[in-house]
Amino acid sequence: QKEVEQNSGPLSVPEGAIASLNCTYSDRVSQSFFWYRQYSGKSPELIMSIYSNGDKEDGRFTAQLNKASQYVSLLIRDSQPSDSATYLCAAYRVDSNYQLIWGAGTKLIIKP
Amino acid sequence: NAGVTQTPKFQVLKTGQSMTLQCAQDMNHNSMYWYRQDPGMGLRLIYYSASEGTTDKGEVPNGYNVSRLNKREFSLRLESAAPSQTSVYFCASWPELAGADTQYFGPGTRLTVL
Repeated sequence: QKEVEQNSGPLSVPEGAIASLNCTYSDRVSQSFFWYRQYSGKSPELIMSIYSNGDKEDGRFTAQLNKASQYVSLLIRDSQPSDSATYLCAAYRVDSNYQLIWGAGTKLIIKP
Repeated sequence: NAGVTQTPKFQVLKTGQSMTLQCAQDMNHNSMYWYRQDPGMGLRLIYYSASEGTTDKGEVPNGYNVSRLNKREFSLRLESAAPSQTSVYFCASWPELAGADTQYFGPGTRLTVL
């Protein structure tokens, strides 16, 4: 199993709907998780971080962490065309506070 | 503040040529990183530097060398470029402060090796 795994997509969602992005992880990563957004040709930017089991909300974004099932998800409510991007899930390697391990990313397309 | 800057933005090399990618940050961060990003593979860590004067290998260090010249600058060198090193290279820095979640990324260098 890869340390951090994502479905590459593309995931196509109608404008105004909820987009749901998922990430599974192995025991080789720590319990700190990050969602980054990356527009085509640009560098990644942090959207959300989550450390505790449960939900964390920030505006239209909600991160969910389920440690028992080893998955973390990102929900985007009222999806906008500007949300179209690749979303990267990342976590620190369990034996290193310096090394982030990245999923391959899910490409999200919001259809007007 | 400029944040994290990288030069050059684009580069084309022939197999066997050498080059150095430059990275600088003006945020007084201790930790700096070099990643490569290939289609469908996410970001992979090449080398990192936890502080001035120290460097450590990441996931894919073969074919690369790094220098942490001072706290601001962290360079990546390809001694003999290979087509497999065609990629987008990102430099990042991290403040290592309590509650500092994110790594800050530069704009990237798009490298093609023919």
